[in-house]
Amino acid sequence: DSGVTQTPKHLITATGQRVTLRCSPRSGDLSVYWYQQSLDQGLQFLIQYYNGEERAKGNILERFSAQQFPDLHSELNLSSLELGDSALYFCASSVVSGGPGTEAFFGQGTRLTVV
Amino acid sequence: AQKITQTQPGMFVQEKEAVTLDCTYDTSDPSYGLFWYKQPSSGEMIFLIYQGSYDQQNATEGRYSLNFQKARKSANLVISASQLGDSAMYFCAMRGPAGGYNKLIFGAGTRLAVHP
Repeated sequence: DSGVTQTPKHLITATGQRVTLRCSPRSGDLSVYWYQQSLDQGLQFLIQYYNGEERAKGNILERFSAQQFPDLHSELNLSSLELGDSALYFCASSVVSGGPGTEAFFGQGTRLTVV
Repeated sequence: AQKITQTQPGMFVQEKEAVTLDCTYDTSDPSYGLFWYKQPSSGEMIFLIYQGSYDQQNATEGRYSLNFQKARKSANLVISASQLGDSAMYFCAMRGPAGGYNKLIFGAGTRLAVHP
């Protein structure tokens, strides 16, 4: 158990809908990262927050947004969902924001299926 | 640009034997970190081992060791005494300054099957 909690574990929704994925980082970790794992794109970095502020942005669509709350949990909001958004979404956390040796601990992921 | 290449889509090994999973990386930065993660069929990503670009010795963690050849830009994972529970996807990843050290860049992964 990595200590990172993601809910829900599975989510099935229809095209055009909006969903919210939730992540609670490990105790003491200030940094939260979101990654998307799909069959065609592999594992892609979406966005990072550090202590409530956006720190880095990757290949995140405009239909997607995220935030980190004062209690350090984070939410990833996906809207106007398309079939291609079906993927495994991971949250990871780390103590610090960056550095070559920053070890990121991953949650179990939320498997999103858009039908 | 930073890139990770894993050329072996699938590998199989006999139980109790050693196996090497290949990883090459591309970066022009002198400071970077290399990671290996395991993803079992249940889906979670499990950290296995880390190697820093300035580390003089190859990293080891139990049955896992990293064969780090800096000049060749390779960071191969060696699993000794394979167990059935080692069957999983294995991902090599890099963290470097081009991404502000903020993100991990992953390879496509290698699926390892351990046979009894």
